[in-house]
Amino acid sequence: QVQLQESGPGLVKPSQTLSLTCTVSGGSISSGSYYWSWIRQPAGKGLEWIGRIYTSGSTNYNPSLKSRVTISVDTSKNQFSLKLSSVTAADTAVYYCARGTDYCSSTSCYGGYDYWGQGTLVTVSS
Amino acid sequence: DIQMTQSPSSLSASVGDRVTITCRASQGISNYLAWYQQKPGKVPKLLIYAASTLQSGVPSRFSGSGSGTDFTLTISSLQPEDVATYYCQKYNSAPETFGQGTKVEIK
Repeated sequence: QVQLQESGPGLVKPSQTLSLTCTVSGGSISSGSYYWSWIRQPAGKGLEWIGRIYTSGSTNYNPSLKSRVTISVDTSKNQFSLKLSSVTAADTAVYYCARGTDYCSSTSCYGGYDYWGQGTLVTVSS
Repeated sequence: DIQMTQSPSSLSASVGDRVTITCRASQGISNYLAWYQQKPGKVPKLLIYAASTLQSGVPSRFSGSGSGTDFTLTISSLQPEDVATYYCQKYNSAPETFGQGTKVEIK
């Protein structure tokens, strides 16, 4: 059973950089046709996709955050990470890491985020 | 970027009712559409992918349909445990946008 666990500071000061790590257990981050993503949710609001990384290192980011976001992967540690710079109060949210897939076998196609971390609340405040 | 618009934003229905939620993409996305259920205080759960394929373990009262720009999530007989917010999401090409959510309550 694949499990994902977010870790990192729960409080970040304005203008600083938010850094989170997601540790994957129960399987290799490099195996299968998967990508690894960060998604956030401000209190009482909807889900916002931040970006994703393939284990090849290829990344895609939300255009609204692209100038501030970096996602990286460390396959040796079975982890991937998020850095969000120049944070403001608007970046306060629960941050989720998740495993995504989008591939077709000879018989079926698969997609969506099937495994999620439990989420970690990051508050931006001085 | 492709926008995903859900309707309604909330609904209230009786136990046993048939419930339908719609999701519209601003451009065609083939069938690269997933639906999630998020109960209060919980992590989102994948219900349906490829617009109509039920994720393993999801009750059969949930179904999805559509292709291109218009999609629906149907709960054939609403149960008390279905109280949640439901999100659609386009995947495949980036950015992977979520709809704004539909909150389902019991009348």
